[in-house]
Amino acid sequence: AQTVTQSQPEMSVQEAETVTLSCTYDTSENNYYLFWYKQPPSRQMILVIRQEAYKQQNATENRFSVNFQKAAKSFSLKISDSQLGDTAMYFCAFMKPGGSNYKLTFGKGTLLTVNP
Amino acid sequence: DTGVSQNPRHKITKRGQNVTFRCDPISEHNRLYWYRQTLGQGPEFLTYFQNEAQLEKSRLLSDRFSAERPKGSFSTLEIQRTEQGDSAMYLCASSFNSGGTEAFFGQGTRLTVV
Repeated sequence: AQTVTQSQPEMSVQEAETVTLSCTYDTSENNYYLFWYKQPPSRQMILVIRQEAYKQQNATENRFSVNFQKAAKSFSLKISDSQLGDTAMYFCAFMKPGGSNYKLTFGKGTLLTVNP
Repeated sequence: DTGVSQNPRHKITKRGQNVTFRCDPISEHNRLYWYRQTLGQGPEFLTYFQNEAQLEKSRLLSDRFSAERPKGSFSTLEIQRTEQGDSAMYLCASSFNSGGTEAFFGQGTRLTVV
């Protein structure tokens, strides 16, 4: 079974600064996907960024980038130029593709607060 | 299409009552998932449908829980004889069948059992 660990329950950052959220995972699989999802207060969870394990290049989406260390089973999220709208719960998640069930295994989440 | 829709948004029920939640996925999505999220935890997988077939159920899903997806469109999740431990946010998500790895989530139904 896969496990996902987020060791930072809460973090805060000043607007326009950079923050890094940590995530480690445990799996015996070689082919998998990793995700960061954002859950703003009282709103639905949305995908922030996705990484395929067989790709060595780290994924980037505008101000969001990841540092994927496959051997260390580490998958951190860096948010640059933080904005007030980035305030949310951030969940790291694992998916083993194949078959038909693409279910997600989530960490406990990190509550990020961006301060003005 | 406005995304995944869940109703009701909030439900307060007395212990022992039955409750039913509804999820309307994005129309062209074949896969539909239910997750449960308790305070301070990440969502946990409950069950999965591909079209109308329920293909996997978590051990978290006790006999008091049942889910359906008639005709492969909307889905319902029913909890019978609710217990206080059932209090949680119930999330629905859907995704494309053809290698779609992105899950689209609804806003969830928050259940409070008193």
